[in-house]
Amino acid sequence: EAGVTQFPSHSVIEKGQTVTLRCDPISGHDNLYWYRRVMGKEIKFLLHFVKESKQDESGMPNNRFLAERTGGTYSTLKVQPAELEDSGVYFCASSQGLLPSNEQFFGPGTRLTVL
Amino acid sequence: AQSVTQPDIHITVSEGASLELRCNYSYGATPYLFWYVQSPGQGLQLLLKYFSGDTLVQGIKGFEAEFKRSQSSFNLRKPSVHWSDAAEYFCAPEGSNTGKLIFGQGTTLQVKP
Repeated sequence: EAGVTQFPSHSVIEKGQTVTLRCDPISGHDNLYWYRRVMGKEIKFLLHFVKESKQDESGMPNNRFLAERTGGTYSTLKVQPAELEDSGVYFCASSQGLLPSNEQFFGPGTRLTVL
Repeated sequence: AQSVTQPDIHITVSEGASLELRCNYSYGATPYLFWYVQSPGQGLQLLLKYFSGDTLVQGIKGFEAEFKRSQSSFNLRKPSVHWSDAAEYFCAPEGSNTGKLIFGQGTTLQVKP
């Protein structure tokens, strides 16, 4: 069974440009989470989808970030326009069922560098 | 506010030595508690988790963790470290009943031959 995949693995863009990150969760997992780790800081929660609905987007930094999960399968996270402070590693995770105790399976992350 | 602290940013141990990584949390009630590991180039992998019951939980790769309510701690241990254990370790409570994990700063483990 394939794990959580993320694309691209690395992205280098200039300030002001737009970048879209993609996450493919494990098939059948209703929960999809986005996290981010800025250099030197802890991993922080961005948002949580249950199927196609945003359950919790309290961690989204600002309105330059837009997450979607059309059809309840893969998800995209768009940053527009990107700023220097958006650099970091973006992780996606998925889990099955509704229990908060269910294991989250993480993807390898997308390393975003904004110059 | 909910928070978690991993006091040790870097730890170096010799191969075969024992290991303990510390984790302290601050929550209103006992959260679900997780330890994840990230090896270079890999995603985070779950080592073990605690919900209730026996306060000593066993995980993969020979790791265990002990929940101590009185100390608000959930320290990770391994009796004998292997070179392949070199990685970054994260303690992550979940206290919102939504699955939202709050991560500690991470502890990077280096293993000396």
